[in-house]
This record gives sequence, structure tokens and C-alpha cells, in this order.
Amino acid sequence: SQQGEEDPQALSIQEGENATMNCSYKTSINNLQWYRQNSGRGLVHLILIRSNEREKHSGRLRVTLDTSKKSSSLLITASRAADTASYFCATDARETSGSRLTFGEGTQLTVNP
Amino acid sequence: DSGVTQTPKHLITATGQRVTLRCSPRSGDLSVYWYQQSLDQGLQFLIQYYNGEERAKGNILERFSAQQFPDLHSELNLSSLELGDSALYFCASSVGGGFQTQYFGPGTRLLVL
Repeated sequence: SQQGEEDPQALSIQEGENATMNCSYKTSINNLQWYRQNSGRGLVHLILIRSNEREKHSGRLRVTLDTSKKSSSLLITASRAADTASYFCATDARETSGSRLTFGEGTQLTVNP
Repeated sequence: DSGVTQTPKHLITATGQRVTLRCSPRSGDLSVYWYQQSLDQGLQFLIQYYNGEERAKGNILERFSAQQFPDLHSELNLSSLELGDSALYFCASSVGGGFQTQYFGPGTRLLVL
């Protein structure tokens, strides 16, 4: 089952604008990871935020995590046409052993030049 | 380039057949994960191996099996293939046994006719 749910499902913006994607999840997590996928290709890891962290930055990316609301957001600032892709959040829940990522359905971001 | 390699890139086969997908993790990574991405199910975790041993199991069908070899590469075997097994199969790797960044390979696109 898909634990993470991204919102919105699709987002279309102009180059230079900021893009914000939200993710909600259901269970307790160890960490939450954001990935990008260009059409039908591999998943590129963007950022990992642990359950005891509230905010993390990487270049033009900013991720926040609110464990009380079981939600996270990904902000891409000053977007570029090359940022066009699907973005997924994935939760790494607390398991007794091992690790597994549970993915949301993704947000399709289109950045228009 | 994540450093995770997968072969083959594409695979076309017939129902009832058996195929083997291969994955080489990043140098130094001990864990290998397998995921399936399909249009109707999204990205689903299948199984994790850590240093040769099964560590976590997800929604993996009984017709599917995997193993991790002493050199840490992994193979996913899919047998008695059905049309619904057509999907993108990803391998990911991480340094330790869990709760870390998972780096994904480019995937193997399987088409069952």
C-alpha cells in the first residue's frame, strides 16, 4: 500500500518560480526521503531527513518535516526547465528488522521555459 | 550516475517464461533492495538483502525469488510470468542494513507479451 501521499498530483509553473510539493504519511518513521524521476527512468535521490530533524537544505531544495502532522514538504526555489520530473516522497518506517521505502504516488512537476 | 548497475536494461518475454534480473550495488554497499514500479501499483518494495542474507520482505510474489551472492551482487528471478508482471524493476543499495539513503539503479524494463 502507498503510505505517502503527495499533493498536488500535478504542478505546472514558469521557470524562475518556486515549486512546493507536500507529502503525508501514516505510520511512525525513521526517515523520509525525496526522489526525482525523469520520465520512465531511474530514481535520483535528492535528500534524506530524519525523524528528529525539522528542516534540511540542499542547494535549491528545502525539505521540512512535521512528525506531529505526519507530513513533509519539498520546496524547489528558482525552478528551471530541467527540474521537470516526477517527485516522490518515501518513508522508511520503524521496522523490527531491515528497511523498506514506502513511496507515494508522486507529483508531476512541469516547469515551462 | 548512482553507481548501481542493472542488467539488462530491457527485457521482452512471453507469458509463462522465467527471467533473471541482475544488480550490482555501489562499491562498499552491503544492502541491496528490489522494487517494482507499475502503472497500477506504483513503486512497491519487494525484498532486501544485507550481506548475503534476507533482511526484509515486502509484497513479493511466490513466483519471484531473489538472492545476494558473496560478491554482493544480487539477482531477482521472476518465473511463470504473467502479463501483469510487466513493470520497471529497480535495484537500490545502501551502506548498512537500513535507515540510510538508498541509491537506485537505472532499472530493468520488463515487458511480458
